[in-house]
Amino acid sequence: SYVLTQPPSVSVAPGKTARITCGGDNIGSKSVHWYQQKPGQAPVLVIYYERDRPSGIPERFSGSTSGNTATLTISRVEAGDEADYYCQVWDSSSDPVVFGGGTKLTVL
Amino acid sequence: QVQLHESGPGLVKPSQTLSLTCAVSGGSISSGSYYWSWIRQPAGKGLEWIGRIYTSGSTNYNPSLKSRVTISVDKSKNQFSLNLTSVTAADTAIYYCAREVVVVVAATSWFDPWGQGTLVTVSS
Repeated sequence: SYVLTQPPSVSVAPGKTARITCGGDNIGSKSVHWYQQKPGQAPVLVIYYERDRPSGIPERFSGSTSGNTATLTISRVEAGDEADYYCQVWDSSSDPVVFGGGTKLTVL
Repeated sequence: QVQLHESGPGLVKPSQTLSLTCAVSGGSISSGSYYWSWIRQPAGKGLEWIGRIYTSGSTNYNPSLKSRVTISVDKSKNQFSLNLTSVTAADTAIYYCAREVVVVVAATSWFDPWGQGTLVTVSS
């Protein structure tokens, strides 16, 4: 089955830029979506179709893909961005829906 | 805007069937090109997609759970349901329902919005 690999944790100082990666075989051929999950809350979609933002998501959140890696970039990080972040794709060859293992973003 | 709300027993005995319902409000479950999905998350772990249903009744399931899962829809009540049979402690998790936007021509889908989740514990 298709596997998405994320680093377990990323740390960043307030005001700096956080980059959370999501690796997968030929991921550039797939559309990658990203979710933010704060403690005790349900996940919230922050990026879909690799780089589009739902209404209400700040422009500080952006997505990109290069080679076998998709990246969620959070600019001018705020304390309120501290959360777990998950990438997700649809892989029609195996499990229709695959999530990455999640990355805990810590704001120092 | 559409909101989803899960309900069902918080405690299920091993070998029994876990049954949950997701009520959809703020819009019709039959409108738009949406699927309706169940996703679960064991404590301290990541997300696992369980399966989806379209209002036509068409379903897809995670191959690892397919033999034990049934998802159904009740359009008259604007809700859909999850049944998971022969549960074990490994099925203890927070269960989320979510609206899934499926774009077949692009072979992609994403989940928005999600319900708040309901904790189901499997224990005797």
